[in-house]
Amino acid sequence: GAVVSQHPSWVICKSGTSVKIECRSLDFQATTMFWYRQFPKQSLMLMATSNEGSKATYEQGVEKDKFLINHASLTLSTLTVTSAHPEDSSFYICSARFEQGGREQYFGPGTRLTVT
Amino acid sequence: EDQVTQSPEALRLQEGESSSLNCSYTVSGLRGLFWYRQDPGKGPEFLFTLYSAGEEKEKERLKATLTKKESFLHITAPKPEDSATYLCAVRSASGGSYIPTFGRGTSLIVHP
Repeated sequence: GAVVSQHPSWVICKSGTSVKIECRSLDFQATTMFWYRQFPKQSLMLMATSNEGSKATYEQGVEKDKFLINHASLTLSTLTVTSAHPEDSSFYICSARFEQGGREQYFGPGTRLTVT
Repeated sequence: EDQVTQSPEALRLQEGESSSLNCSYTVSGLRGLFWYRQDPGKGPEFLFTLYSAGEEKEKERLKATLTKKESFLHITAPKPEDSATYLCAVRSASGGSYIPTFGRGTSLIVHP
């Protein structure tokens, strides 16, 4: 149980375009979803936290207009990187948590974004 | 502010050579300490949650322990497939956010 999927697993886009990443909890309802960014050999950097039906809470230094997060349902959250630039290239990982399951998070497999 | 420090940064072991990874933490009111395993290019995989000092959990060759200041992930007779980065995270009640703070991880390589 507690499976989280992400789509796409990798994407290459041109500078200035927008990219949407989907995160789905497959076998549970996620009350809270998190979006992380990870640079090579670095730890996870939390970008934002979202609860279903409400606006995401962004961490300090994360541009909310650039990284649009929508938590449309208890099983789906999306991250849209708008007007992407090469410095946005990174590994983006989502995670989900359901209160009935405890306090741990379950992570998706990640999405490798490369902006050319 | 919650702080998590993992050591060593990298660890190389021979197959069968047991060892321990350390996670030192400073939090205000621990609400859970988590261990994850992350393989290259993949998302972290949940391993254990520990809530109080003295608690221990085991899974195959892995055993996690917790004190008031640190947690250890003991690896007994490791195999090459145990090679991965192991992440530690803590969740506290500070600020009311309950958002975990992650350490930088320990990269483990087990040689056959």
